Amino acid sequence: QVQLQESGPGLVKPLGTLSLTCAVSGGSISSTNWWSWVRQPPGKGLEWIGEVYRSGNTNYNPSLKSRVTISVDESKNQFSLRLTSVTAADTALYYCARCSGAGCSSFDYWGRGTLVTVSS
Amino acid sequence: DIQMTQSPSSLSASVGDRVTITCRASQSISSFLNWYQQKPGKAPKLLIYDLSSLQSGVPSGFSGGGSGTDFTLTISSLQPEDSATYYCQQSYSAPYTFGQGTKLEIK
Repeated sequence: QVQLQESGPGLVKPLGTLSLTCAVSGGSISSTNWWSWVRQPPGKGLEWIGEVYRSGNTNYNPSLKSRVTISVDESKNQFSLRLTSVTAADTALYYCARCSGAGCSSFDYWGRGTLVTVSS
Repeated sequence: DIQMTQSPSSLSASVGDRVTITCRASQSISSFLNWYQQKPGKAPKLLIYDLSSLQSGVPSGFSGGGSGTDFTLTISSLQPEDSATYYCQQSYSAPYTFGQGTKLEIK
């Protein structure tokens, strides 16, 4: 059973950098899956942030592309999210998820999510 | 970006009712449509993928259908544990986008 666990600071200052890590267990980050980040502002819907493959190839949501970096660390079986120049609008529950199927057909495993608040 | 629009935004139904939630895409997405269930304080859970395939462990009372731009999630006989918010999501092209959600309550 694949399990994902997000970790990182729960509070980030405005204009600072949000950094989160997703540790994968019960499966390999080096499998033929893409790995994604999805966020959900409090009380709102879901927004896909981007994805990474074991090779390091990435795809990002154009709405965030200028501020986002997603990377993979095969040695630690984890992948990471970095979001720069954050504002209150980036306050959200951040989920990591595994993509299943060819490309990213669906998100079949999810972490529990971690709340990140942007505030001074 | 492909916009996904769900209807209704919320609904209330009784145990045993047949419930249908609709999702419309702003362009054709073939059968690249998934459905998720999210309960308060929990991560979304994949219910249906690729239009109509039931994810492992999901009760058979859930089913998906449609094609092109119009899709449905049907619960054949509503159970108390089905109270949740449901999201559709397209995987036809990045950025992958979700509907705004349908909150389903049990009367």
